[in-house]
Amino acid sequence: DAGVTQSPTHLIKTRGQQVTLRCSPISGHKSVSWYQQVLGQGPQFIFQYYEKEERGRGNFPDRFSARQFPNYSSELNVNALLLGDSALYLCASSIDPGTGNQPQHFGDGTRLSIL
Amino acid sequence: AQSVTQPDIHITVSEGASLELRCNYSYGATPYLFWYVQSPGQGLQLLLKYFSGDTLVQGIKGFEAEFKRSQSSFNLRKPSVHWSDAAEYFCAVGARGGGSQGNLIFGKGTKLSVKP
Repeated sequence: DAGVTQSPTHLIKTRGQQVTLRCSPISGHKSVSWYQQVLGQGPQFIFQYYEKEERGRGNFPDRFSARQFPNYSSELNVNALLLGDSALYLCASSIDPGTGNQPQHFGDGTRLSIL
Repeated sequence: AQSVTQPDIHITVSEGASLELRCNYSYGATPYLFWYVQSPGQGLQLLLKYFSGDTLVQGIKGFEAEFKRSQSSFNLRKPSVHWSDAAEYFCAVGARGGGSQGNLIFGKGTKLSVKP
């Protein structure tokens, strides 16, 4: 079975541009979470979606937004890119976040570089 | 506030030697606990998890971890390290109750190097 897939794998943008990152969860998983991993740090939670509804939001500015589609895939959008947005963006899926004890399975991430 | 501390930024061990990576957490109750491994340029792979019950949990690749409530610790161990274990290791906590609290808080990671 396919794991979590993310696209694109690498992306280069300039300051002020907008970017869309995509994620397809493991088949049967209805929850998708997004994390930002800056070089040398652990991942930081950005958003969680379940059944197309936002279930949680981390401490990120409104330039970050996301959505989940009926097939449970998800997009993360970042507007007005800053140099500090350069990071590895990770998507994770789980069956159901309802009890918190479902392990999250991660994709290989999208490496975003801002020039 | 929930937090995870991994005191060791970088550890080097010889191949065949034993390994222990430390993880301490701060949380009001017993959280869900996880260890993930990340190879360069890759995503995170789940090594093991603790939800309840036996405090010694077994994971993949010969890893194990022990939950110690009194010390708020969840240290990762392996009796004999292989060169392929060189990677970065992350400890994470997840809140019980799920929903918006069900996401993971990660430590800053410990980079493991293995000497031949």
